[in-house]
Amino acid sequence: LAKTTQPISMDSYEGQEVNITCSHNNIATNDYITWYQQFPSQGPRFIIQGYKTKVTNEVASLFIPADRKSSTLSLPRVSLSDTAVYYCLVGLTYNTDKLIFGTGTRLQVFP
Amino acid sequence: EAGVVQSPRYKIIEKKQPVAFWCNPISGHNTLYWYLQNLGQGPELLIRYENEEAVDDSQLPKDRFSAERLKGVDSTLKIQPAELGDSAVYLCASSLRRGSEAFFGQGTRLTVV
Repeated sequence: LAKTTQPISMDSYEGQEVNITCSHNNIATNDYITWYQQFPSQGPRFIIQGYKTKVTNEVASLFIPADRKSSTLSLPRVSLSDTAVYYCLVGLTYNTDKLIFGTGTRLQVFP
Repeated sequence: EAGVVQSPRYKIIEKKQPVAFWCNPISGHNTLYWYLQNLGQGPELLIRYENEEAVDDSQLPKDRFSAERLKGVDSTLKIQPAELGDSAVYLCASSLRRGSEAFFGQGTRLTVV
């Protein structure tokens, strides 16, 4: 299973764009990249998943370069409610179906 | 549609006592996960079920932990006897099938005193 590395914490202000980068140098061919968000006292929540290039939904965008050894979660115009821990996971395919969480990135949004 | 339901939300027990957690996954979800989350850490997989079969329990401390998933729906996780180090949040998640998006419950926060 591919190991992921992400910053421990990040700070931002309301209205700014936040980019959280995750490194996954040994990602396998069939691996997907998935991001989860976790608020205090709640379970993690799926945000976005992608395999290559760019994926966008109503919450975030996910940028994956051609070599797929890293990925960037982009949160446009964050608000205080985006303060949470964000986890990058690699796997989640029919061959690798464990959810392996690291320590995540703790994002703090200030007014 | 109801999400993953866990109970109780909070549990305080004395060490050496037994404790059980219950999880009701989303209807129709075949895959069920139990995770343990320590403070400041990401969730760690304890056991994964495909329907009623435990297909991955390599991280479950089998000397004191046990789990079951009756009829491939609800699941219980038990600890007997509990130790101080078992204090953590126990999360249940389910997905439609292996590899698809997982939905988590709110977790059970266990405090062993």
